Amino acid sequence: AQSVTQPDIHITVSEGASLELRCNYSYGATPYLFWYVQSPGQGLQLLLKYFSGDTLVQGIKGFEAEFKRSQSSFNLRKPSVHWSDAAEYFCAVGARRRGSTLGRLYFGRGTQLTVWP
Amino acid sequence: SQTIHQWPATLVQPVGSPLSLECTVEGTSNPNLYWYRQAAGRGLQLLFYSVGIGQISSEVPQNLSASRPQDRQFILSSKKLLLSDSGFYLCAWTWTSSSYNSPLHFGNGTRLTVT
Repeated sequence: AQSVTQPDIHITVSEGASLELRCNYSYGATPYLFWYVQSPGQGLQLLLKYFSGDTLVQGIKGFEAEFKRSQSSFNLRKPSVHWSDAAEYFCAVGARRRGSTLGRLYFGRGTQLTVWP
Repeated sequence: SQTIHQWPATLVQPVGSPLSLECTVEGTSNPNLYWYRQAAGRGLQLLFYSVGIGQISSEVPQNLSASRPQDRQFILSSKKLLLSDSGFYLCAWTWTSSSYNSPLHFGNGTRLTVT
């Protein structure tokens, strides 16, 4: 069965420090992977996505993520965190329904990021 | 460009009252449409999705229903709200045909509090 695990419920970093948010997935085929960010009281915004090709993908707001098939991971990184990055971050994997071209996204439970000034 | 509208932004309803949340998408045709619920610490739960007018699939049994009366309109309803229906409801859309490799585009959500 498809699943996404975000091991860290809450992470706190200082402004200017580097950031890595972990994401592990379970999916039998080639995964389609996404990272979303949610500010309080808002919907989710797509940060970046991985479909194929280069395993290091660049996204908006200075974020990047690296796909590691051997580790079933898709960790999100940022070299220097800004106070405006405080939000909740969701990892998701896209899975095709058997015998169909349709599918759905499976989301992790999210990681809440707090940034200290 | 495509935009998604969701309303109301916040709603406080007594137990047993009806519910109607509306979502519309502009700038695209025949999108796949979704309703998600987000409860604190529980991530996103897919409630319903629709691949076309009148076509609704339910992911979990519950007190809610969904309808798609027009191509770009998606409505979430309940006849009698329960306390457990409280949460943050998100509407989303993707390009049609293959929703597993298309990013979801979310509305700004509705905060529902059932009292």
